[in-house]
Amino acid sequence: KAGVTQTPRYLIKTRGQQVTLSCSPISGHRSVSWYQQTPGQGLQFLFEYFSETQRNKGNFPGRFSGRQFSNSRSEMNVSTLELGDSALYLCASSLGQGNGKLFFGSGTQLSVL
Amino acid sequence: QKEVEQNSGPLSVPEGAIASLNCTYSDRGSQSFFWYRQYSGKSPELIMFIYSNGDKEDGRFTAQLNKASQYVSLLIRDSQPSDSATYLCAVTSGTDKLIFGTGTRLQVFP
Repeated sequence: KAGVTQTPRYLIKTRGQQVTLSCSPISGHRSVSWYQQTPGQGLQFLFEYFSETQRNKGNFPGRFSGRQFSNSRSEMNVSTLELGDSALYLCASSLGQGNGKLFFGSGTQLSVL
Repeated sequence: QKEVEQNSGPLSVPEGAIASLNCTYSDRGSQSFFWYRQYSGKSPELIMFIYSNGDKEDGRFTAQLNKASQYVSLLIRDSQPSDSATYLCAVTSGTDKLIFGTGTRLQVFP
């Protein structure tokens, strides 16, 4: 069974640009969560999607948004990038909503210059 | 106060010893508790979960939960150098968000 797939693996952008990250969950998993990981703050919860609906949201500005498609694949978008958005963005899938048994992808390392 | 707190470490233990990792949480409504392990440069992976007060054992790992004290711990018996990693405590909040602590770095030396 294939694991969680995130693309791209690395991204370099400049301030003010926008970026879209993609996540394909494990087959059969309907919940997708997104986290931002930085050395200082650790793993910060961004949002969770289940059945194409955002079920939970963390304390991030509106520049961070996401969506989930009918095949459970998810995308995350960050608009008007800031230097502080440089981080590893991790996607995780699970069978159900609010299920803490997460399977993480390898992440997308975003660098904002 | 952070929602989930862990000592950042590093916690250094000799090979064969018991490593004890601790975590406290602030939301009394939390129901589910998890331990993830993250090797350097890798993604977190789930190693233990516990829902009820008391101990839960799985191989060399024991998770302990005390809801009255809002305290979760992970014991690793017979620690091996391959256990050297960052251990993340995670707690499901009252709104079902999974909130992570910043992790404790464990170093097991031969």
